[in-house]
Amino acid sequence: DVVMTQSPLSLSVTLGQPASISCRSSQSLVYTDGNIYLNWLQQRPGQPPKRLIYKVSDRESGVPDRFSGSGSATDFTLHISRVEAEDVGVYYCMQGTHWPWTFGQGTKVEIK
Amino acid sequence: QMQLVESGGGLVKPGESLRLSCAASGFTFRGHFMSWIRQAPGKGLEWLAYISFEGTLTYHADSVKGRFTISRDNGKNSLYLQMNSLRAEDTAVYYCAKAGTGWLDHWGQGVTVTVSS
Repeated sequence: DVVMTQSPLSLSVTLGQPASISCRSSQSLVYTDGNIYLNWLQQRPGQPPKRLIYKVSDRESGVPDRFSGSGSATDFTLHISRVEAEDVGVYYCMQGTHWPWTFGQGTKVEIK
Repeated sequence: QMQLVESGGGLVKPGESLRLSCAASGFTFRGHFMSWIRQAPGKGLEWLAYISFEGTLTYHADSVKGRFTISRDNGKNSLYLQMNSLRAEDTAVYYCAKAGTGWLDHWGQGVTVTVSS
C-alpha cells in the first residue's frame, strides 16, 4: 500500500499568518493517464471531511483562494496564505492513484 | 443540492452483521462512482470500498475484504455496505462519499457503528 506521511502532525498558527502542511507518498502518484490524484481534505470539529484540493492543485468550487496546493510525484504541500479562525480542524492528504486509496495521518491546525 | 444520508448504524455484538445504507439526492447517482470510508474514534480516515457506475466493478480494502461488501441500487439512488463478522476494531463512523477517478468529492454526515459485547 502507498504510505502517505504528513508533517507536522500538529500546527499552531497566529491568525492572519501563513501555514503549510507537507505530505509525502511512498511511491510516485503519477497515474497512467498522466494525472496525479493527490487530494487535500479538511475536517472541522464534529463535521465530515470536505475536499479542498484535488489533482495536487485544483481548488474545489467554493473553497477560499487562500488555500492552494503544490507538488509533484511524491512530495506535496497544502498552503494556507492567511489562517482564519474557521480553518481550525484536521487536514488530510489522500492519494487516489493506487489501490487501495490511502490517507495521511492528519494534521491538526489550531489557532495560537 | 447534493445530499448523502447514511443510515443503519448501531450497537452490535462481535460476530454479528449490519447493513449500512446511503441515500443519494441532488445529483445523477447512476452516473458516479461511490465509496465507503470509516473513521475510528479519535483516529484518521480509512478508505474501505469503491463501486463503479453500474456496480460491475468493486474494490475493497484488505482489512474488510471477505467480510464487507459494497453494492448499489441505481433505481433507488442508494449505496449499501453489508458488514459481516463484525469485530471490535470495526467500531467507527462510516461515511459514504461520491467518488471520481482518484477522488472523493462529497461526503455524507456519517453513521456510527459500535461493536461491543
